[in-house]
Amino acid sequence: ETGVTQSPTHLIKTRGQQVTLRCSSQSGHNTVSWYQQALGQGPQFIFQYYREEENGRGNFPPRFSGLQFPNYSSELNVNALELDDSALYLCASSLWTDSYEQYFGPGTRLTVT
Amino acid sequence: AQSVTQLGSHVSVSEGALVLLRCNYSSSVPPYLFWYVQYPNQGLQLLLKYTTGATLVKGINGFEAEFKKSETSFHLTKPSAHMSDAAEYFCAVSAPNTGNQFYFGTGTSLTVIP
Repeated sequence: ETGVTQSPTHLIKTRGQQVTLRCSSQSGHNTVSWYQQALGQGPQFIFQYYREEENGRGNFPPRFSGLQFPNYSSELNVNALELDDSALYLCASSLWTDSYEQYFGPGTRLTVT
Repeated sequence: AQSVTQLGSHVSVSEGALVLLRCNYSSSVPPYLFWYVQYPNQGLQLLLKYTTGATLVKGINGFEAEFKKSETSFHLTKPSAHMSDAAEYFCAVSAPNTGNQFYFGTGTSLTVIP
């Protein structure tokens, strides 16, 4: 059974740029959730994808967007990067019918300079 | 709406001593409750969860937590701390049938003193 994987591990971008983060779900999982974890804080829910559609969104602006693909993998896109976007971005996969069983990937550390 | 408060951002215990990490929640519906552990530069690992049924739940690595509805609490305990328990611990709440969005506390950093 393959766990949740994320790429890249680390990323450095400049303010105003755009970034794409990737997540591969655990085998058999059809739901993906994204979280932002700022330094010293708990993860904050960004959005969740199921059946390739956004299903629920936290308090994040539209410049945070996502995609889910037929193989259930997912992307998080952030446009017009701001310094405050610097954080660990975590992806979690689950089964829609058991979405409380969320399995987290190791995260992508994004630094915006 | 759901929210979590973790009392104590830093907790230090001696090796072999009791570990107690506090978590209080707010939820408009019967909640699902979780404890996760995060080691440096790693993702979150589920320690234990409460969904329904028995209010005392046991997890991995000797941790357990008790759901107390009257106190809206879900404190994490371990009878005897090990050095390997040093990590960041997060309490989270989710509500069934709401897309199962997780709401995390701000975390408690556990230090184990040899």
